[in-house]
Amino acid sequence: GNSVTQMEGPVTLSEEAFLTINCTYTATGYPSLFWYVQYPGEGLQLLLKATKADDKGSNKGFEATYRKETTSFHLEKGSVQVSDSAVYFCALTYNNNDMRFGAGTRLTVKP
Amino acid sequence: NAGVTQTPKFQVLKTGQSMTLQCAQDMNHNSMYWYRQDPGMGLRLIYYSASEGTTDKGEVPNGYNVSRLNKREFSLRLESAAPSQTSVYFCASSESGNHYEQYFGPGTRLTVT
Repeated sequence: GNSVTQMEGPVTLSEEAFLTINCTYTATGYPSLFWYVQYPGEGLQLLLKATKADDKGSNKGFEATYRKETTSFHLEKGSVQVSDSAVYFCALTYNNNDMRFGAGTRLTVKP
Repeated sequence: NAGVTQTPKFQVLKTGQSMTLQCAQDMNHNSMYWYRQDPGMGLRLIYYSASEGTTDKGEVPNGYNVSRLNKREFSLRLESAAPSQTSVYFCASSESGNHYEQYFGPGTRLTVT
């Protein structure tokens, strides 16, 4: 079945460091791919998305490219801030009734 | 717009008790969802409703029932709570179609003792 695997955390970085959180997926066809972010005590918020191969989603300095050849959607940011500390979830869906989430990666950014 | 609202924020139940979690959205979305979030497991879909008047099982429906009361409201009921249902519950809504994001409520933290 469809599934998402993302790198385990926690990830701890210093401010201004480069961030990569790996995400790979297993699916037939062409799912849509998402990154959600969850700040402490809150629900998930969409960070970025890509709906077809080679699309790049971007928002707030974060980027991810939909790579069908490697079935990946890795999240990157060039310079993280303390305010980026949160849990990040990779997700995929063929239709919105079946969105599959990864286990989440907790990021802590230290000043 | 309030977006997606959930009540209550916290609840403690004893084994065997029942309760209903409430969810409402003001974005005129057709689709609504209930998830549970457990440590290390991401979010898992309990039930969803693709439109008013319809509901379907998700990945982990056992022990739960749902009601799509109208287009705005989608409730989740635990008839006889068990410790295994201790979790954080999230309601979400979206437009129909696989390109659309889901909007999440703030969650309900439920503890069953």
